[in-house]
Amino acid sequence: AQRVTQPEKLLSVFKGAPVELKCNYSYSGSPELFWYVQYSRQRLQLLLRHISRESIKGFTADLNKGETSFHLKKPFAQEEDSAMYYCALMNAGGTSYGKLTFGQGTILTVHP
Amino acid sequence: EAGVAQSPRYKIIEKRQSVAFWCNPISGHATLYWYQQILGQGPKLLIQFQNNGVVDDSQLPKDRFSAERLKGVDSTLKIQPAKLEDSAVYLCASSSRAEGLTGELFFGEGSRLTVL
Repeated sequence: AQRVTQPEKLLSVFKGAPVELKCNYSYSGSPELFWYVQYSRQRLQLLLRHISRESIKGFTADLNKGETSFHLKKPFAQEEDSAMYYCALMNAGGTSYGKLTFGQGTILTVHP
Repeated sequence: EAGVAQSPRYKIIEKRQSVAFWCNPISGHATLYWYQQILGQGPKLLIQFQNNGVVDDSQLPKDRFSAERLKGVDSTLKIQPAKLEDSAVYLCASSSRAEGLTGELFFGEGSRLTVL
Protein backbone atom coordinates (compact mmCIF):
# COMPACT_ATOMS: atom_id res chain seq x y z
CA ALA A 1 0.00 0.00 0.00
CA GLN A 2 1.18 3.49 -0.72
CA ARG A 3 1.85 5.84 2.16
CA VAL A 4 3.12 9.39 2.58
CA THR A 5 4.62 10.57 5.85
CA GLN A 6 5.32 14.14 6.88
CA PRO A 7 7.02 13.85 10.26
CA GLU A 8 6.59 17.48 11.30
CA LYS A 9 3.13 18.84 12.07
CA LEU A 10 4.52 22.29 12.79
CA LEU A 11 7.60 24.08 11.53
CA SER A 12 8.62 27.60 12.51
CA VAL A 13 11.44 29.63 11.00
CA PHE A 14 12.41 33.27 10.81
CA LYS A 15 12.25 35.30 7.65
CA GLY A 16 15.37 34.81 5.55
CA ALA A 17 16.23 31.46 7.10
CA PRO A 18 16.37 28.26 5.05
CA VAL A 19 13.43 25.94 5.33
CA GLU A 20 13.02 22.23 4.62
CA LEU A 21 9.73 20.39 4.88
CA LYS A 22 10.25 16.66 5.05
CA CYS A 23 8.31 14.03 3.14
CA ASN A 24 8.90 10.30 2.99
CA TYR A 25 6.90 7.81 1.01
CA SER A 26 6.44 4.10 0.59
CA TYR A 27 5.33 2.76 -2.76
CA SER A 28 6.29 -0.31 -4.68
CA GLY A 29 5.81 1.04 -8.18
CA SER A 30 6.93 4.18 -9.97
CA PRO A 31 5.47 7.10 -8.06
CA GLU A 32 4.93 10.66 -8.98
CA LEU A 33 5.35 13.10 -6.12
CA PHE A 34 3.80 16.50 -5.56
CA TRP A 35 3.65 19.31 -3.07
CA TYR A 36 0.31 21.00 -2.54
CA VAL A 37 -0.14 24.17 -0.49
CA GLN A 38 -3.05 25.82 1.26
CA TYR A 39 -2.64 29.45 2.23
CA SER A 40 -4.92 30.96 4.85
CA ARG A 41 -8.50 31.23 3.58
CA GLN A 42 -7.53 29.86 0.18
CA ARG A 43 -8.07 26.59 -1.61
CA LEU A 44 -5.69 23.70 -1.71
CA GLN A 45 -3.53 24.11 -4.81
CA LEU A 46 -0.63 22.47 -6.55
CA LEU A 47 2.76 23.98 -5.72
CA LEU A 48 5.10 21.77 -7.67
CA ARG A 49 5.62 18.27 -9.03
CA HIS A 50 8.85 16.33 -9.15
CA ILE A 51 8.58 15.43 -12.79
CA SER A 52 8.71 19.09 -13.83
CA ARG A 53 11.95 19.75 -11.97
CA GLU A 54 10.83 23.34 -11.59
CA SER A 55 11.27 25.99 -8.93
CA ILE A 56 8.03 27.63 -7.84
CA LYS A 57 8.08 30.67 -5.55
CA GLY A 58 11.69 29.77 -4.76
CA PHE A 59 10.79 26.25 -3.63
CA THR A 60 12.41 23.14 -5.03
CA ALA A 61 12.00 19.46 -4.26
CA ASP A 62 14.15 16.54 -5.35
CA LEU A 63 12.89 13.01 -5.53
CA ASN A 64 15.38 10.68 -3.81
CA LYS A 65 14.33 7.14 -4.66
CA GLY A 66 17.08 5.62 -2.54
CA GLU A 67 15.83 7.34 0.58
CA THR A 68 12.20 7.41 -0.63
CA SER A 69 12.05 11.10 0.16
CA PHE A 70 10.75 14.23 -1.51
CA HIS A 71 11.70 17.09 0.78
CA LEU A 72 10.62 20.65 -0.04
CA LYS A 73 13.29 23.31 0.32
CA LYS A 74 13.65 27.05 0.09
CA PRO A 75 16.90 28.85 0.85
CA PHE A 76 15.35 32.06 2.18
CA ALA A 77 11.88 31.84 3.69
CA GLN A 78 9.42 34.72 3.35
CA GLU A 79 6.45 35.59 5.56
CA GLU A 80 4.08 34.89 2.67
CA ASP A 81 5.29 31.27 2.65
CA SER A 82 3.35 30.66 5.86
CA ALA A 83 0.79 27.99 4.97
CA MET A 84 -0.14 24.33 5.25
CA TYR A 85 1.94 22.13 2.98
CA TYR A 86 0.95 18.65 1.87
CA CYS A 87 3.13 16.10 0.18
CA ALA A 88 1.22 13.80 -2.16
CA LEU A 89 1.88 10.70 -4.22
CA MET A 90 0.19 9.45 -7.37
CA ASN A 91 0.36 6.11 -9.09
CA ALA A 92 2.18 6.82 -12.35
CA GLY A 93 0.31 4.12 -14.20
CA GLY A 94 -3.12 2.56 -14.20
CA THR A 95 -6.53 4.12 -14.62
CA SER A 96 -6.66 5.98 -11.31
CA TYR A 97 -4.78 8.99 -12.55
CA GLY A 98 -5.37 11.91 -10.30
CA LYS A 99 -5.75 9.59 -7.31
CA LEU A 100 -3.54 11.36 -4.82
CA THR A 101 -2.43 9.96 -1.48
CA PHE A 102 -1.69 12.87 0.84
CA GLY A 103 0.53 13.15 3.88
CA GLN A 104 -0.75 14.61 7.12
CA GLY A 105 0.50 18.07 6.30
CA THR A 106 3.01 20.49 7.85
CA ILE A 107 2.04 23.95 9.02
CA LEU A 108 4.87 26.34 8.17
CA THR A 109 5.06 29.61 10.04
CA VAL A 110 7.59 32.21 8.97
CA HIS A 111 8.17 34.85 11.62
CA PRO A 112 9.24 38.41 10.75
CA GLU B 1 -12.27 31.10 -15.03
CA ALA B 2 -14.68 30.08 -12.28
CA GLY B 3 -13.32 27.56 -9.82
CA VAL B 4 -14.88 24.46 -8.33
CA ALA B 5 -18.04 25.41 -6.46
CA GLN B 6 -19.28 23.57 -3.38
CA SER B 7 -22.25 23.97 -1.09
CA PRO B 8 -23.09 24.21 1.69
CA ARG B 9 -19.90 25.56 3.21
CA TYR B 10 -20.90 24.49 6.70
CA LYS B 11 -23.35 21.94 8.03
CA ILE B 12 -24.13 20.80 11.57
CA ILE B 13 -26.29 17.73 12.08
CA GLU B 14 -27.11 15.20 14.76
CA LYS B 15 -25.79 11.66 14.43
CA ARG B 16 -28.05 9.36 12.45
CA GLN B 17 -29.33 12.26 10.36
CA SER B 18 -28.58 12.59 6.67
CA VAL B 19 -26.70 15.27 4.75
CA ALA B 20 -25.92 16.01 1.13
CA PHE B 21 -23.11 18.04 -0.41
CA TRP B 22 -23.10 19.47 -3.90
CA CYS B 23 -20.20 20.16 -6.22
CA ASN B 24 -19.98 21.89 -9.58
CA PRO B 25 -16.61 21.32 -11.25
CA ILE B 26 -14.71 23.61 -13.57
CA SER B 27 -16.41 23.71 -16.94
CA GLY B 28 -15.08 21.02 -19.25
CA HIS B 29 -13.41 18.96 -16.55
CA ALA B 30 -14.33 15.34 -17.10
CA THR B 31 -12.86 14.01 -13.87
CA LEU B 32 -14.38 14.79 -10.48
CA TYR B 33 -13.11 13.71 -7.08
CA TRP B 34 -14.52 13.73 -3.57
CA TYR B 35 -11.97 13.81 -0.76
CA GLN B 36 -12.57 13.58 2.97
CA GLN B 37 -10.29 15.55 5.26
CA ILE B 38 -10.53 14.76 8.95
CA LEU B 39 -8.99 17.33 11.30
CA GLY B 40 -5.24 16.84 11.55
CA GLN B 41 -5.06 14.53 8.55
CA GLY B 42 -4.46 14.94 4.86
CA PRO B 43 -7.27 14.58 2.35
CA LYS B 44 -8.34 11.02 1.56
CA LEU B 45 -9.97 10.09 -1.74
CA LEU B 46 -13.51 8.78 -1.35
CA ILE B 47 -14.60 8.50 -4.97
CA GLN B 48 -13.44 9.47 -8.45
CA PHE B 49 -15.70 9.96 -11.46
CA GLN B 50 -14.74 10.08 -15.11
CA ASN B 51 -17.69 11.81 -16.77
CA ASN B 52 -20.66 10.03 -15.14
CA GLY B 53 -18.87 6.75 -14.48
CA VAL B 54 -17.11 5.71 -11.28
CA VAL B 55 -13.36 5.11 -11.69
CA ASP B 56 -12.49 4.42 -8.06
CA ASP B 57 -14.70 4.14 -4.98
CA SER B 58 -12.57 1.70 -3.04
CA GLN B 59 -12.40 3.93 0.03
CA LEU B 60 -16.03 5.01 0.07
CA PRO B 61 -17.95 3.55 3.05
CA LYS B 62 -20.78 2.31 0.92
CA ASP B 63 -23.02 1.35 3.81
CA ARG B 64 -23.60 5.03 4.54
CA PHE B 65 -22.00 7.10 1.79
CA SER B 66 -23.25 7.47 -1.76
CA ALA B 67 -22.30 9.75 -4.61
CA GLU B 68 -23.61 10.39 -8.07
CA ARG B 69 -22.77 12.43 -11.12
CA LEU B 70 -25.76 11.72 -13.29
CA LYS B 71 -25.14 14.06 -16.22
CA GLY B 72 -21.37 14.06 -16.03
CA VAL B 73 -21.21 17.59 -14.68
CA ASP B 74 -22.15 18.38 -11.10
CA SER B 75 -22.11 15.81 -8.33
CA THR B 76 -23.77 15.07 -5.01
CA LEU B 77 -22.25 13.26 -2.04
CA LYS B 78 -24.69 11.92 0.54
CA ILE B 79 -24.19 10.52 4.00
CA GLN B 80 -27.02 8.58 5.58
CA PRO B 81 -27.01 7.96 8.49
CA ALA B 82 -24.17 10.14 9.73
CA LYS B 83 -21.81 9.06 12.48
CA LEU B 84 -19.67 11.18 14.77
CA GLU B 85 -16.54 10.09 12.90
CA ASP B 86 -17.90 11.59 9.69
CA SER B 87 -17.11 15.06 11.02
CA ALA B 88 -14.68 16.38 8.43
CA VAL B 89 -14.22 18.74 5.53
CA TYR B 90 -15.46 17.26 2.27
CA LEU B 91 -13.41 18.53 -0.63
CA CYS B 92 -14.48 18.33 -4.21
CA ALA B 93 -11.85 18.57 -6.94
CA SER B 94 -11.85 18.37 -10.70
CA SER B 95 -9.37 17.99 -13.50
CA SER B 96 -9.22 17.54 -17.20
CA ARG B 97 -7.83 14.20 -18.25
CA ALA B 98 -4.51 15.81 -19.14
CA GLU B 99 -4.31 17.62 -15.84
CA GLY B 100 -5.30 14.49 -13.97
CA LEU B 101 -2.47 12.63 -15.62
CA THR B 102 -0.06 15.28 -14.38
CA GLY B 103 -1.53 15.26 -10.89
CA GLU B 104 -2.94 18.77 -11.01
CA LEU B 105 -6.31 18.81 -9.32
CA PHE B 106 -8.38 21.95 -8.76
CA PHE B 107 -10.04 21.98 -5.37
CA GLY B 108 -13.14 23.67 -4.09
CA GLU B 109 -13.32 25.49 -0.76
CA GLY B 110 -14.80 22.45 0.93
CA SER B 111 -17.90 21.67 2.97
CA ARG B 112 -17.29 21.42 6.69
CA LEU B 113 -19.51 18.84 8.41
CA THR B 114 -19.94 18.63 12.15
CA VAL B 115 -21.86 15.64 13.51
CA LEU B 116 -23.08 16.04 17.10
